[in-house]
Amino acid sequence: EAGVAQSPRYKIIEKRQSVAFWCNPISGHATLYWYQQILGQGPKLLIQFQNNGVVDDSQLPKDRFSAERLKGVDSTLKIQPAKLEDSAVYLCASSLGSPRPEETQYFGPGTRLLVL
Amino acid sequence: DQQVKQNSPSLSVQEGRISILNCDYTNSMFDYFLWYKKYPAEGPTFLISISSIKDKNEDGRFTVFLNKSAKHLSLHIVPSQPGDSAVYFCAASDGGSTLGRLYFGRGTQLTVWP
Repeated sequence: EAGVAQSPRYKIIEKRQSVAFWCNPISGHATLYWYQQILGQGPKLLIQFQNNGVVDDSQLPKDRFSAERLKGVDSTLKIQPAKLEDSAVYLCASSLGSPRPEETQYFGPGTRLLVL
Repeated sequence: DQQVKQNSPSLSVQEGRISILNCDYTNSMFDYFLWYKKYPAEGPTFLISISSIKDKNEDGRFTVFLNKSAKHLSLHIVPSQPGDSAVYFCAASDGGSTLGRLYFGRGTQLTVWP
């Protein structure tokens, strides 16, 4: 079974530029999560989708971050414009059922973003 | 504000001995707890979990203990193996109110040496 795919794996941009990350979850997984992991910290949830609907985006900085999951499959996360403090690893995860802590989340390898 | 705390950034253990990783939490509403393991350049992988109605859950070499009164949980690995060397994240959820949102600690780097 293929895992969660993410691209690109690495991205370097200058502040105020825009960047987009792509995630393809495990086939058939209804729930998709985007996390931000700053160096030395644990992952922090940014947004979670159930199918193509947003379930929780309370921790997403909506002035610069946006995400979509059209057709309820793959998803994109965009930052516009980027700030230095956005340098982090962006992790995508998916789970089979509805958003519950008992549903195992499967993580992709992440996209490492460096903002100069 | 860190609601899940892993106060030991690193732990070094000899192969065959027990590894004990600790985690504390501050939110009394947390009712489900998980441990994830992460190798370099990979995403975290689920290891073991425990509900607040239990105080122990075991899966092979891995056992998680929960002390609700102390708001503390620990992961025991017995016996430790070099392949267990990884970063271990503790996570917690209050399920109902936040639809399963996980709050992660900063992680503990475990090194198992031969």
